[in-house]
Amino acid sequence: NAGVTQTPKFRILKIGQSMTLQCTQDMNHNYMYWYRQDPGMGLKLIYYSVGAGITDKGEVPNGYNVSRSTTEDFPLRLELAAPSQTSVYFCASSYSATNYGYTFGSGTRLTVV
Amino acid sequence: DAKTTQPTSMDCAEGRAANLPCNHSTISGNEYVYWYRQIHSQGPQYIIHGLKNNETNEMASLIITEDRKSSTLILPHATLRDTAVYYCIVRGPYRDDKIIFGKGTRLHILP
Repeated sequence: NAGVTQTPKFRILKIGQSMTLQCTQDMNHNYMYWYRQDPGMGLKLIYYSVGAGITDKGEVPNGYNVSRSTTEDFPLRLELAAPSQTSVYFCASSYSATNYGYTFGSGTRLTVV
Repeated sequence: DAKTTQPTSMDCAEGRAANLPCNHSTISGNEYVYWYRQIHSQGPQYIIHGLKNNETNEMASLIITEDRKSSTLILPHATLRDTAVYYCIVRGPYRDDKIIFGKGTRLHILP
């Protein structure tokens, strides 16, 4: 099993550009999450999904969109990139909502210039 | 906001047990205590979790006080590879309960 795979690993965007961060998992987990981590800080939840077709906002959703058309994939879309979105983005998945740990991907390091 | 309080940093000698404390005085009866760690810039790694009873796995032990207001993560024989930021997290049991990360404890293992 590959676990949680994120692509790309690194990306530089210009202000106003858009991009999609990809996240896929092969563990048949229903629950998936997107976090961002600014330098020296803890992780902040952006969006999450409890199953295909269901998404909901986390702590810091502004400037982002998500979709969950399949169990495996949970892409994060940035529209009109801003310097404040410079961060490391982590995707995670979990088998159940409770009594189970999250599996995290290795992250996407995004710089907006 | 995170529901836990942890020391900002700790040191531990290699080969000794590392004991990381966490205060969660407002924890509810159905909330779990989770521990994760993040090594350098990697994605966080799940370590262990518990509700009331002490728990042990191949990585660590989790000791939860009887009143559940605090807990301790124990790494029995710390190695240099255990140098990381350790996050103590309280999370409810319901579908929409999320894991909210605080700032964690930066653990330095000293050779």
